[in-house]
Amino acid sequence: GGIITQTPKFLIGQEGQKLTLKCQQNFNHDTMYWYRQDSGKGLRLIYYSITENDLQKGDLSEGYDASREKKSSFSLTVTSAQKNEMAVFLCASSIWTGYEQYFGPGTRLTVL
Amino acid sequence: GEKVEQHESTLSVREGDSAVINCTYTDTASSYFPWYKQEAGKSLHFVIDIRSNVDRKQSQRLIVLLDKKAKRFSLHITATQPEDSAIYFCASYGNEKITFGAGTKLTIKP
Repeated sequence: GGIITQTPKFLIGQEGQKLTLKCQQNFNHDTMYWYRQDSGKGLRLIYYSITENDLQKGDLSEGYDASREKKSSFSLTVTSAQKNEMAVFLCASSIWTGYEQYFGPGTRLTVL
Repeated sequence: GEKVEQHESTLSVREGDSAVINCTYTDTASSYFPWYKQEAGKSLHFVIDIRSNVDRKQSQRLIVLLDKKAKRFSLHITATQPEDSAIYFCASYGNEKITFGAGTKLTIKP
């Protein structure tokens, strides 16, 4: 089996601050995803990456950057944190697009 | 873009009864429909999926039905147990993108 780890578990930032969330997987999966889950709501896709050095925008990419430095890691940057984006950010991976996704435990973002 | 509507935001059934969660989608190109479960305070995990080349799939107590004509798919949980209580998300995949529904909170009553 494999595992997805997300760091940090909790992230507190100031409004306007640039913040980075990290995700690592040891499944050797090609595709990785970043989602935002607002309280009591579904998931919205921010970015995904089909393979190393690839980036694809999701429906919620504005205000975020992403980087797939190597196959096992995918990071997400909040370019200027806003109070209305306090949420849980979930990272996931799958062997390829259109296959079962494995989710990490999430990073909870609080913006002061 | 694709829109996925999950019709029941909450659902409550008695232990032992069946639960049905319904989703509709808009993109005719969608070809893969997974379901995920989120227990309280935890992340999501995969439960079952169906591809557009079949209209029914079963895994133990879980059955997924797909009606491509109506662009509708559903999750049936038979003989429900307390551990089935969770939020269930449907999703639709097409054109290399996945879209999730808003989730259904399922409560199993004793």
